[in-house]
Amino acid sequence: GESVGLHLPTLSVQEGDNSIINCAYSNSASDYFIWYKQESGKGPQFIIDIRSNMDKRQGQRVTVLLNKTVKHLSLQIAATQPGDSAVYFCAERTGGGNKLTFGTGTQLKVEL
Amino acid sequence: GAGVSQSPSNKVTEKGKDVELRCDPISGHTALYWYRQRLGQGLEFLIYFQGNSAPDKSGLPSDRFSAERTGESVSTLTIQRTQQEDSAVYLCASSRKAGDQPQHFGDGTRLSIL
Repeated sequence: GESVGLHLPTLSVQEGDNSIINCAYSNSASDYFIWYKQESGKGPQFIIDIRSNMDKRQGQRVTVLLNKTVKHLSLQIAATQPGDSAVYFCAERTGGGNKLTFGTGTQLKVEL
Repeated sequence: GAGVSQSPSNKVTEKGKDVELRCDPISGHTALYWYRQRLGQGLEFLIYFQGNSAPDKSGLPSDRFSAERTGESVSTLTIQRTQQEDSAVYLCASSRKAGDQPQHFGDGTRLSIL
C-alpha cells in the first residue's frame, strides 16, 4: 500500500546550523503535504504545509520543498535552536480526503 | 476551548477491561479525527467525524473499537475488552470542517494495558 517514510530516523545538528529533514512518499495522487513537530508528551504541532501545485513554501525559519518528480518532501529549518529539538513527522493527504497518512518520524537533536 | 482537550491524559487498566477516552475539539470545529500512535511510530488514522456522523471508520482495528460524537462537539473513543497491543497514545484532532487542513491536535491519552 501507499506509505510515507523518512530517510533518517535521527538527525543531530549544532545550534545555529541549518537542518534538513527528508521524507519520501509513494502515492502520486497525494495533493497535500504537511509537517508536524512533536515534543515529548505532547500532541503534534503544525509547522508548515504545501499543496501539490507548489514546489516551495516558506514560513518563519522553515521552508518546505516538494519534488513531485522523485516524490520527495523536505523540511528546512534555518538557524536551528535548542527549542527545535523534537520528532518531526511528514504526512500526506490523498485525493482531497479527510485523513492524513503519517511517516514514522525523525528525531532532531540540537547540540549546544 | 482554545485548543483540543483530551482526557484522561494517562490511563492504566487491566487487560480485559473497557476504557473510554474523551476528546473536546476546538469550539466551532465540525470535523474530528482519532489517531493511534504506538511507541516510536507515526500516527495511524482510526476514524473521523463530520458533525455527529462518521463517514470513514476504516482505521478502527477491530470491532472492540468504537467511537461516537454528540452535539457536534465531544467525542468518545471506547475500547472494549482491552488487550496489551492496545497500549498506545490515542490522539484526537479537529478542523473547521472535513477536508480542511491543518488538523489541530490535542496532547493525547497515554493508554497502558497491564
